[in-house]
Amino acid sequence: ETGVTQSPTHLIKTRGQQVTLRCSSQSGHNTVSWYQQALGQGPQFIFQYYREEENGRGNFPPRFSGLQFPNYSSELNVNALELDDSALYLCASSVNRGGGGYTFGSGTRLTVV
Amino acid sequence: QQQVKQSPQSLIVQKGGISIINCAYENTAFDYFPWYQQFPGKGPALLIAIRPDVSEKKEGRFTISFNKSAKQFSLHIMDSQPGDSATYFCAASKPGSARQLTFGSGTQLTVLP
Repeated sequence: ETGVTQSPTHLIKTRGQQVTLRCSSQSGHNTVSWYQQALGQGPQFIFQYYREEENGRGNFPPRFSGLQFPNYSSELNVNALELDDSALYLCASSVNRGGGGYTFGSGTRLTVV
Repeated sequence: QQQVKQSPQSLIVQKGGISIINCAYENTAFDYFPWYQQFPGKGPALLIAIRPDVSEKKEGRFTISFNKSAKQFSLHIMDSQPGDSATYFCAASKPGSARQLTFGSGTQLTVLP
């Protein structure tokens, strides 16, 4: 049974650019959630995808968007990057929208300069 | 609005001692309270979780104590080991479409050999 894998592990972007982060969910999981973890803080919920549709969203602007594919993998896209977007982005997969708990990936460390 | 408050921010314990981390929540709709352990460069990993119908849950050296009336819960790590040195996050979730996790701000635990 494979866990949650995220790519890339590290990324440096310039302010104003766009970035795409990728996540492969754990085998058997059909739900993917994305979290942003700023340095020294707890993760904050960005949004969740279930059956290829956005199923819930936290307090993040529309320039944060996502996709889920038929194989349940997912992408997080961030447009018009700002310096404050620098953070660890975590993907968490689960069964049926999180009722059975979450498995987190190791994250993508995004630095915006 | 910080819905889950965690303390202390950092904790230093001698090997063999008891580590205690506390959390308080505001939203009485929360019905699932997990604790996560995070090592540097890794995503959070579920340690132990509790639902409000019980006051205590123990798994090995880890115990959650839950006080519904006070809206507080705590993690006790018995016989703390240097390998327990990590950041610990409490979290909470409530029934709903996405069942997202609301995290505390984290406690950095250092267990001295």
